[in-house]
Amino acid sequence: EPEVTQTPSHQVTQMGQEVILRCVPISNHLYFYWYRQILGQKVEFLVSFYNNEISEKSEIFDDQFSVERPDGSNFTLKIRSTKLEDSAMYFCASSEQWAQYFGPGTRLLVL
Amino acid sequence: KQEVTQIPAALSVPEGENLVLNCSFTDSAIYNLQWFRQDPGKGLTSLLLIQSSQREQTSGRLNASLDKSSGRSTLYIAASQPGDSATYLCAPNNYGQNFVFGPGTRLSVLP
Repeated sequence: EPEVTQTPSHQVTQMGQEVILRCVPISNHLYFYWYRQILGQKVEFLVSFYNNEISEKSEIFDDQFSVERPDGSNFTLKIRSTKLEDSAMYFCASSEQWAQYFGPGTRLLVL
Repeated sequence: KQEVTQIPAALSVPEGENLVLNCSFTDSAIYNLQWFRQDPGKGLTSLLLIQSSQREQTSGRLNASLDKSSGRSTLYIAASQPGDSATYLCAPNNYGQNFVFGPGTRLSVLP
């Protein structure tokens, strides 16, 4: 069964460094999403992406964040200058229409 | 702004019991609602998606119902098994707002 994959599974970085989280959505899906989950808290929406542009973003998704679909298969989330509070599990999801399918997540730790 | 609550927060039952997980949401203008399960430290697994025009959806031992006008959904798990132990999340989707997740119900099924 097709699935969403994410790399790396874990990333440790120093505060102020840039990180890029990578996702490979399910191949025939058209809609792509990033969510995050701070330890012990709810899953929070960050951004949705369709037709090579952001379709919606939350207030969390400020100028430090950007997304890109650099080729036909990858979907990336970049955090330009990481802060301690960016430490969280980041989930990528994709959908063909309504149901969203999530990847296993990247656990980001900012020191 | 959509607010989602889930009751109970945690539930521990002996194997074989039928159980009901509850989800409430404040904005009934939803397109659909998706139920997920999350294992500790893992990603989200899609269980059921129920459209706003539907009353219920079934998959195996799982049945999700939706009462859109009252802002409620329930997930019914029949003949629970230890492998059902996980956190169950509901996420309504208001058009243009993407999924808003509840805090989850942590289920433990004891052998």
